[in-house]
Amino acid sequence: DGGITQSPKYLFRKEGQNVTLSCEQNLNHDAMYWYRQDPGQGLRLIYYSQIVNDFQKGDIAEGYSVSREKKESFPLTVTSAQKNPTAFYLCASRQTGIAQPQHFGDGTRLSIL
Amino acid sequence: DAKTTQPNSMESNEEEPVHLPCNHSTISGTDYIHWYRQLPSQGPEYVIHGLTSNVNNRMASLAIAEDRKSSTLILHRATLRDAAVYYCILRDDGNYGQNFVFGPGTRLSVLP
Repeated sequence: DGGITQSPKYLFRKEGQNVTLSCEQNLNHDAMYWYRQDPGQGLRLIYYSQIVNDFQKGDIAEGYSVSREKKESFPLTVTSAQKNPTAFYLCASRQTGIAQPQHFGDGTRLSIL
Repeated sequence: DAKTTQPNSMESNEEEPVHLPCNHSTISGTDYIHWYRQLPSQGPEYVIHGLTSNVNNRMASLAIAEDRKSSTLILHRATLRDAAVYYCILRDDGNYGQNFVFGPGTRLSVLP
């Protein structure tokens, strides 16, 4: 089945460490997105990529970095500069075009030890 | 981005219809109305979308007001699996660079 795979489901990080969250899709979608969700809140856009080797900052990009070297992969690195990284991270992909929906993974929950 | 307003929470009884409202008084002529829902500890899933006419699919119906300043997501028979947060989103699908903006949504509780 086609879909989006995020790994790991749960991740723990020590203070001062960088950590990378994986997102892979086999839907052949051009666009990919990373969102952050805090308890009881909506989703906030961190980074997005409309095409390979290109990505744009979203609303809360500070303390995060991404790469898009392959169409199917869009890893997110949470750096030590992100002061409050504990959150639920969601990856999505979408085929560009009119009325195309976003498809989401099941998320990675990141916690600080 | 055009904004939407939804109630924070709603309750429904199982097997009864549910009408989830969304106000979008500043909607532009090219904005599509999208609905997603998010079950606990999962990513959001697409429910339905429309532009001007009412829409039906296997999951739900979308009723759009004639002036397009409001819309209603209709679940015809709520089940316990429909308990989720429902997001109403406007997006100009002709704008290549525009993104989806997920607000806090409406938390739907379904009572057995």
